[in-house]
Amino acid sequence: KQEVTQIPAALSVPEGENLVLNCSFTDSAIYNLQWFRQDPGKGLTSLLLIQSSQREQTSGRLNASLDKSSGRSTLYIAASQPGDSATYLCAVVEYGNKLVFGAGTILRVKS
Amino acid sequence: EAGVTQFPSHSVIEKGQTVTLRCDPISGHDNLYWYRRVMGKEIKFLLHFVKESKQDESGMPNNRFLAERTGGTYSTLKVQPAELEDSGVYFCASSQAPPGTGEKLFFGSGTQLSVL
Repeated sequence: KQEVTQIPAALSVPEGENLVLNCSFTDSAIYNLQWFRQDPGKGLTSLLLIQSSQREQTSGRLNASLDKSSGRSTLYIAASQPGDSATYLCAVVEYGNKLVFGAGTILRVKS
Repeated sequence: EAGVTQFPSHSVIEKGQTVTLRCDPISGHDNLYWYRRVMGKEIKFLLHFVKESKQDESGMPNNRFLAERTGGTYSTLKVQPAELEDSGVYFCASSQAPPGTGEKLFFGSGTQLSVL
């Protein structure tokens, strides 16, 4: 059974810092891995999607990497801003097209 | 373009009552999913529709839950009778193609269900 773990559970950093969020999964038989952002009371917004054959994806200040063999992914946020404060969720897409989510990392960027 | 719409945004009911949640996907999205997060747990898959057909309902917890998508447009999720452990946030998502193809899912804001 696939399990997804995210570390840390919460993170508080001063504005301008670069930071890394970690995600690990137990079964490497995945189609892809996705990172989402959730703001309080809102839905999930897809940030980056990495196909199982890819190593990384970049969008603006965000960079996500995937090491399928070791079951790990990282989300790197450069030059963090208060507007980046949110819960970040990692999810793997298994054969069968289900997303299996981690519990999330609550990020707070202080101004 | 309108996003995925869910209503109600909040529902408070008593144990044993019936509640129906509704989801309107993005127009043209054949794939519709229901997920939920119960207190303190991860978001979990409930089921997947392709048009009006249930592609996968392996995540439905028991037969108190009934999902429909008549005509392949909006979907409803009925809980009857509701139990305390059904409390949580119910999310709906839609996409043009399944996520395994690399297609991104678009999520609604969720329905916060509280069973007292």
